[in-house]
Amino acid sequence: GAGVSQSPSNKVTEKGKDVELRCDPISGHTALYWYRQSLGQGLEFLIYFQGNSAPDKSGLPSDRFSAERTGGSVSTLTIQRTQQEDSAVYLCASSLDGTYLMNTEAFFGQGTRLTVV
Amino acid sequence: AQKVTQAQTEISVVEKEDVTLDCVYETRDTTYYLFWYKQPPSGELVFLIRRNSFDEQNEISGRYSWNFQKSTSSFNFTITASQVVDSAVYFCALSEASSGYALNFGKGTSLLVTP
Repeated sequence: GAGVSQSPSNKVTEKGKDVELRCDPISGHTALYWYRQSLGQGLEFLIYFQGNSAPDKSGLPSDRFSAERTGGSVSTLTIQRTQQEDSAVYLCASSLDGTYLMNTEAFFGQGTRLTVV
Repeated sequence: AQKVTQAQTEISVVEKEDVTLDCVYETRDTTYYLFWYKQPPSGELVFLIRRNSFDEQNEISGRYSWNFQKSTSSFNFTITASQVVDSAVYFCALSEASSGYALNFGKGTSLLVTP
């Protein structure tokens, strides 16, 4: 696609429910990131996929959060038993390659605004 | 530990003033990249510049300029003759080999340019 696509753009869910957020990166991009941005806050790193390497999950805030990337392309971020503090904009980004030789800028999607009520 | 520090949380200037946004980074790597992104009120993150650790040349693009100094681990961003449309949150980011080149962002500086 032309850019990073995220769906849904908005999601309202009840506390305790599970949610899945989807990210379609730019075709051919091997690096994929998930970030969280709470209202008025900076970008909180969640997880990073680079090619076939094991993902860097160091930013996931709790075991209720998980992410997978199937076939090296589409990624799904899953939040189980959502809490009100999970309310935020979840941003996905992809870049051409995450290595030194080909490291390029990351392109961001428009984000999914998650509201837990 | 925070690897990218943007000490200025909020800056307010009047149109046509020059403004510098500070970015200090921390790394033990010799190979790394630095970035600046802009997030206007609409919310999308817009890439502004990428600089690798072996290129300390300063860069100018229109009203924007960047000063990269390895000696002070800084990568500052200056907007000359600011305009209202420059109002946004600006993020500095570091990508280093030891972290698999994952992007680490600072907390951002919110710039407000008033007429």
